[in-house]
Amino acid sequence: LAKTTQPISMDSYEGQEVNITCSHNNIATNDYITWYQQFPSQGPRFIIQGYKTKVTNEVASLFIPADRKSSTLSLPRVSLSDTAVYYCLVGDIGGATDSWGKFQFGAGTQVVVTP
Amino acid sequence: DSGVTQTPKHLITATGQRVTLRCSPRSGDLSVYWYQQSLDQGLQFLIQYYNGEERAKGNILERFSAQQFPDLHSELNLSSLELGDSALYFCASSVRRTDSPFGNTIYFGEGSWLTVV
Repeated sequence: LAKTTQPISMDSYEGQEVNITCSHNNIATNDYITWYQQFPSQGPRFIIQGYKTKVTNEVASLFIPADRKSSTLSLPRVSLSDTAVYYCLVGDIGGATDSWGKFQFGAGTQVVVTP
Repeated sequence: DSGVTQTPKHLITATGQRVTLRCSPRSGDLSVYWYQQSLDQGLQFLIQYYNGEERAKGNILERFSAQQFPDLHSELNLSSLELGDSALYFCASSVRRTDSPFGNTIYFGEGSWLTVV
């Protein structure tokens, strides 16, 4: 199962771009990379998911290099409401191996956005 | 709204008691996952069910048990409650992406707050 490593915390100012890099050196062929956002006392919210190259949606972009051993979540022009914990997870969710269930969320990255 | 429904939202009970938390997954989702999050702690995976069968087990105490019913809803039973069981309990369900050959996405409910006094 792919273990992930991400920074414990990051600080940013409003309007800046925030990039959070996650390392997952032993990612498996069938594993997807998924990022979640969690506010205090709320359930984690799906942000973005990708397998390789670049994925973009209305909230964020996910950059995955060719070797897939890391990924970077990019949050453009953050606002105060983006202050949250961001989790990077790697697994084959619901697939043949379905490793997701055995995967533990790490501590995540606490992003604090200030005016 | 993730589409995953959990009840009750809040629950206060005494030590030694037993409670049942209920989860209704998104329509059509076959997998249900339970997580525990204590104050200032990360999300701890407890157990996963797929179409009624236990698929994976995490750090679930013997005092806890779960099941998934034919209509796919799930219940987490917590017994002989201790103060340390006070936490947010999340349920999640997974949905298969339609734009890829594999790779699902997990959606979380808003959690059930359990306070043991």
